[in-house]
Amino acid sequence: DQQVKQNSPSLSVQEGRISILNCDYTNSMFDYFLWYKKYPAEGPTFLISISSIKDKNEDGRFTVFLNKSAKHLSLHIVPSQPGDSAVYFCAASQDRGSTLGRLYFGRGTQLTVWP
Amino acid sequence: DTEVTQTPKHLVMGMTNKKSLKCEQHMGHRAMYWYKQKAKKPPELMFVYSYEKLSINESVPSRFSPECPNSSLLNLHLHALQPEDSALYLCASSPNNRAYQETQYFGPGTRLLVL
Repeated sequence: DQQVKQNSPSLSVQEGRISILNCDYTNSMFDYFLWYKKYPAEGPTFLISISSIKDKNEDGRFTVFLNKSAKHLSLHIVPSQPGDSAVYFCAASQDRGSTLGRLYFGRGTQLTVWP
Repeated sequence: DTEVTQTPKHLVMGMTNKKSLKCEQHMGHRAMYWYKQKAKKPPELMFVYSYEKLSINESVPSRFSPECPNSSLLNLHLHALQPEDSALYLCASSPNNRAYQETQYFGPGTRLLVL
């Protein structure tokens, strides 16, 4: 049962334009969301996170938006650069109880930024 | 500094071998994790250690044996693995595991091939 979904396996964007990566979730108890970037044969690198009490968090070229009513979040990268080409994973967690320590990952979106 | 280190980077082993994967962090984190990742799939949680005690075992086969000698080190002992265990093994750490909305930081992974 996939509780975090990234429905677009790939996205291709021209350098300098905006990249928008989407993520949906089904568990309304999720209260913390993260984006990781992963190059081949490397570990995921933490990019940015957002708490459920916020609807936007910004860090440089990266902005994450959260729409709790729609159970949807998105990662915006502006401007996109060729070095951003990687697989982006959306992840979610919920506080306490038996789920403590668990991150629920989406299947990832391969972003390709072309010159 | 958000570095998690893993050794070795690559490992090839036969099904009768015994080997160990090592993970180290010096961020003072008290929670450490083992994940397994297959190509084009999200990371799958295997084990969670919190304050050097095993808190989550995701029904992992006994041929995988975790060990947390101290708060900075995490090992994964491998014995009698199967070819389908070939994967990227990722270690991660987070500050507390008992705190709210924690970020996990991943190491670069060990690429394991079982022949």
